[in-house]
Amino acid sequence: EADIYQTPRYLVIGTGKKITLECSQTMGHDKMYWYQQDPGMELHLIHYSYGVNSTEKGDLSSESTVSRIRTEHFPLTLESARPSHTSQYLCASSDRSDREYTDTQYFGPGTRLTVL
Amino acid sequence: GQQVMQIPQYQHVQEGEDFTTYCNSSTTLSNIQWYKQRPGGHPVFLIQLVKSGEVKKQKRLTFQFGEAKKNSSLHITATQTTDVGTYFCRADSWGKFQFGAGTQVVVTP
Repeated sequence: EADIYQTPRYLVIGTGKKITLECSQTMGHDKMYWYQQDPGMELHLIHYSYGVNSTEKGDLSSESTVSRIRTEHFPLTLESARPSHTSQYLCASSDRSDREYTDTQYFGPGTRLTVL
Repeated sequence: GQQVMQIPQYQHVQEGEDFTTYCNSSTTLSNIQWYKQRPGGHPVFLIQLVKSGEVKKQKRLTFQFGEAKKNSSLHITATQTTDVGTYFCRADSWGKFQFGAGTQVVVTP
């Protein structure tokens, strides 16, 4: 099992609040990702990073922002939470395998966010 | 752009039966990965296929990569309740990837 952690695991918060979802990995992986997923539904990539000081937006437009100041840490911030942000947020990391030009993603346990 | 389709979206299976789920890409792939997400859990890597026509087995699960490297299948024999969950394929094109929408598997005893 991979060493990737997310906090909090559950969060219920009121509209308009600023929140930060934490994600940390101890594997030294360069690549990190944030996905948004509604229960039982598909994974939507919202942000990714290929290294320190590198961040990109994913396929799904999101009002959240991310930062990558340290290799092991990839927090996601919502400046003003809204009910439409209610979802599960999954963090993942991977390290490139030069032999096959691919990488396996290791997912954290997720944060279930509810915005009232 | 690349389109990835997983069929079926839902699969209801009687315990002990076999079933197959498919992952189809509109473009040729460099490799494909399969992940499993248990209800309430997070996706977990199962396997990766790289070569054309490659077949890999994990106990009752058989994974196959098509000859044209545009599709893949996951076949489960003698389904058990532990097979419940959503199976996602991840289609890779030399650095770019896309997850399929998943096949949600429900097993009835």
